[in-house]
Amino acid sequence: SQQGEEDPQALSIQEGENATMNCSYKTSINNLQWYRQNSGRGLVHLILIRSNEREKHSGRLRVTLDTSKKSSSLLITASRAADTASYFCATDALTGGGNKLTFGTGTQLKVEL
Amino acid sequence: DGGITQSPKYLFRKEGQNVTLSCEQNLNHDAMYWYRQDPGQGLRLIYYSQIVNDFQKGDIAEGYSVSREKKESFPLTVTSAQKNPTAFYLCASGVLGVRQPQHFGDGTRLSIL
Repeated sequence: SQQGEEDPQALSIQEGENATMNCSYKTSINNLQWYRQNSGRGLVHLILIRSNEREKHSGRLRVTLDTSKKSSSLLITASRAADTASYFCATDALTGGGNKLTFGTGTQLKVEL
Repeated sequence: DGGITQSPKYLFRKEGQNVTLSCEQNLNHDAMYWYRQDPGQGLRLIYYSQIVNDFQKGDIAEGYSVSREKKESFPLTVTSAQKNPTAFYLCASGVLGVRQPQHFGDGTRLSIL
């Protein structure tokens, strides 16, 4: 099952602009993670936000988490062509164990020169 | 360099044939995971293992089998019972415990001849 739904499915912006992607999920979580996937490659972990955190920063990335709305957003500031990739949120459920992650459907970001 | 190696990168299966995808990690991680990714979709969990000689079914285990005889290795067999095997298969590993990211290999793309 895919707990996360991401919005938008695809996003095209100009280099230098900001990109915002949203993720909604269904059940209570330990944490929420964002991953990046370049075409034909594996996923790369970007950032993890705990359920008791509301905002986290890493370089040009800003993640927010609203557990009352079961939603998260990823903001990439001053985007570059190299940011072109698919971005996935993944949730680590509060119950179930095994550190299993449930992935969203992803947002395809295209940054044009 | 530590990492996860998946092989082969491309694999073709004939009707009625079983094929095995390799996944090896030298990160000393206890947990390993297999995911399936269909075009434009997120990842779905096939099987996962938290310790040698033990593994659990994920959300879409039917038609697949795994083994975990060594900590470093977690091969996935796609059996002839899997009627729609064409997909991108990703292996991941991670440290057990809350708030731990997963590390991914670069995937195997499986197609039917």
